[in-house]
Amino acid sequence: GNSVTQMEGPVTLSEEAFLTINCTYTATGYPSLFWYVQYPGEGLQLLLKATKADDKGSNKGFEATYRKETTSFHLEKGSVQVSDSAVYFCALMDGNKLVFGAGTILRVKS
Amino acid sequence: DTAVSQTPKYLVTQMGNDKSIKCEQNLGHDTMYWYKQDSKKFLKIMFSYNNKELIINETVPNRFSPKSPDKAHLNLHINSLELGDSAVYFCASSLRTGWRGTEAFFGQGTRLTVV
Repeated sequence: GNSVTQMEGPVTLSEEAFLTINCTYTATGYPSLFWYVQYPGEGLQLLLKATKADDKGSNKGFEATYRKETTSFHLEKGSVQVSDSAVYFCALMDGNKLVFGAGTILRVKS
Repeated sequence: DTAVSQTPKYLVTQMGNDKSIKCEQNLGHDTMYWYKQDSKKFLKIMFSYNNKELIINETVPNRFSPKSPDKAHLNLHINSLELGDSAVYFCASSLRTGWRGTEAFFGQGTRLTVV
C-alpha cells in the first residue's frame, strides 16, 4: 500500500537556523501530499499541501515542493523560531484516507 | 467557534469498563474519521464515515464501535477496555472523501488512559 517515510527525530536547532525535514513517499499514481503540525497538547493542523508534481506549498515561512522524480516532499524553513517547536507529520491522501509518516519532533532552542 | 470538537479531552478508566468519546463538526463536511495516536506519536486511521455510511474500517478489534447519528457527529464506543487501548484518539472531518487536495480538520484529541 501507499506509505510515507520521514526522517527520525528529534531535530534540535538553535533559533534562526535553517530547517529541513525529509519526507519520501511510496504510492501508485500521484497522490496529494500534506504537512501537518501538532503543537504540544493540541490536535493536528494543516501546515501546507500540494496536489500535483512541481507544486510548491507554503505557509508561515514553511515550504515544500512536490517532486515526483525523487518521490519527495521535504519541509523547509529558512529561520526557525522557538514557537516552531512541535511534531511535524508528512502525509499523503490514499483514496479515502490520510496516511501519515511517523512524525518528526522539532525542538528549537533560544 | 470550534470546528471539530471532541469530548472528553481526558479519560481515565479501569480495565474492563465501557466508554464513549463524542465528536461533532460544524464545518458542514460530509466525511468524518477516527484516528489513533500511540505513545510514539504514530497516527493510524481506524474508521471513516461519509454521510453517515461507514467507508473505512481498518483492522480494529470488534470492541471498538463507531456510530454516526448524522453527518455532523461521529462517536466512538469502546467495550471491555484493555491497557493497550491507552492512546490519544483524534476525530477529524473533511469536505468530501477522495477529492484531490481535500484536507482534514482535526479535533484536539481525547487522551484515554486505561489503568
